[in-house]
Amino acid sequence: AQSVTQLGSHVSVSEGALVLLRCNYSSSVPPYLFWYVQYPNQGLQLLLKYTTGATLVKGINGFEAEFKKSETSFHLTKPSAHMSDAAEYFCAVSLSNSGYSTLTFGKGTMLLVSP
Amino acid sequence: EPEVTQTPSHQVTQMGQEVILRCVPISNHLYFYWYRQILGQKVEFLVSFYNNEISEKSEIFDDQFSVERPDGSNFTLKIRSTKLEDSAMYFCASSDTGFYGYTFGSGTRLTVV
Repeated sequence: AQSVTQLGSHVSVSEGALVLLRCNYSSSVPPYLFWYVQYPNQGLQLLLKYTTGATLVKGINGFEAEFKKSETSFHLTKPSAHMSDAAEYFCAVSLSNSGYSTLTFGKGTMLLVSP
Repeated sequence: EPEVTQTPSHQVTQMGQEVILRCVPISNHLYFYWYRQILGQKVEFLVSFYNNEISEKSEIFDDQFSVERPDGSNFTLKIRSTKLEDSAMYFCASSDTGFYGYTFGSGTRLTVV
């Protein structure tokens, strides 16, 4: 069975600082990896995904993540935080690329951005 | 951009009552899902639905839960006799035949009192 661990339930950064949200996974087969963002009172929005190919994946809003198989990690980064990035971020893993594969989520990391 | 629509956004119900949570998936999507998030906990998979039948369900999805696609647009989750521990945010999602990541709805916050 697959699992996801997100280190840090809360991460605080200053506006303009680097954002680093950590995600480690366990999977017995090559995983498909996702980052979702949830703004207050909204649904889960897909930020980016890794399926195959290039291990550095670029997503929306300037975020990117790198799949490192040797470290079983898929950390999310953004060079310069903006106030509008304050939200909860969820890492998720799926074992299948089929239409109805299920997602296993991490517990989420709340990103706080201060002026 | 196409959206998954969930109604209501918030529902309060008494323990033991039946509730139906409604979702309108994206029109050309074929796979439908329910997930839930108990406050402070992980988002958890409940059930997936394809071709008018359940394709996969989790241990959480017991006999108290059922799903239905009563017409060509709606996708519903029914909880037959709610318990306090059913209080959670319930997310509906849909996807098309390629796995590009689900599109989630905004969720229904269910409070059982």
